[in-house]
Amino acid sequence: DADVTQTPRNRITKTGKRIMLECSQTKGHDRMYWYRQDPGLGLRLIYYSFDVKDINKGEISDGYSVSRQAQAKFSLSLESAIPNQTALYFCATSGYGQPQHFGDGTRLSIL
Amino acid sequence: DQQVKQNSPSLSVQEGRISILNCDYTNSMFDYFLWYKKYPAEGPTFLISISSIKDKNEDGRFTVFLNKSAKHLSLHIVPSQPGDSAVYFCAASANYGQNFVFGPGTRLSVLP
Repeated sequence: DADVTQTPRNRITKTGKRIMLECSQTKGHDRMYWYRQDPGLGLRLIYYSFDVKDINKGEISDGYSVSRQAQAKFSLSLESAIPNQTALYFCATSGYGQPQHFGDGTRLSIL
Repeated sequence: DQQVKQNSPSLSVQEGRISILNCDYTNSMFDYFLWYKKYPAEGPTFLISISSIKDKNEDGRFTVFLNKSAKHLSLHIVPSQPGDSAVYFCAASANYGQNFVFGPGTRLSVLP
């Protein structure tokens, strides 16, 4: 079983819809992250959480929100999706000072 | 302005030869650097790291070199194998393992 699981793997939806992407991990890490990947821009940090009661904005948090339901679960929401949020989304986890472990991504298309 | 740059979007190398992937950064506070490899339809996987107290780190066929004065690091793969064909991301952190800034990636193709 994967250490970091993202659901769904693919999603097509319409502008204005609310979308939730979910992430769960079995690595026991306190730190969890959400990134988006766009061609030519690499991975950009949306939100991160260093423990259950800690939520922080990343580089590109506008239009997104997150919830850390438990140590193992971190979800990303798009309250009202817009086409420029079409991207590949990755969840990651890490321990302190450790490299991040990534899920396999969610490909989101907003029409 | 990108703080971590990988100026070569793609690189092709013959099997058995050396692959050299380059990364430049602008923030002098970065003190921890990582390379990730990404295959299609998978998430990035950690490959090798280096802290600013070192100028070289080796792990099997992979070696990372850090030149702090030039704000430049490179990943050497010797010998290159077809299975190394992937996108390689360079990432940097200013607080030794706090948040990482990623470069745009370089697509490596190793030709048989």
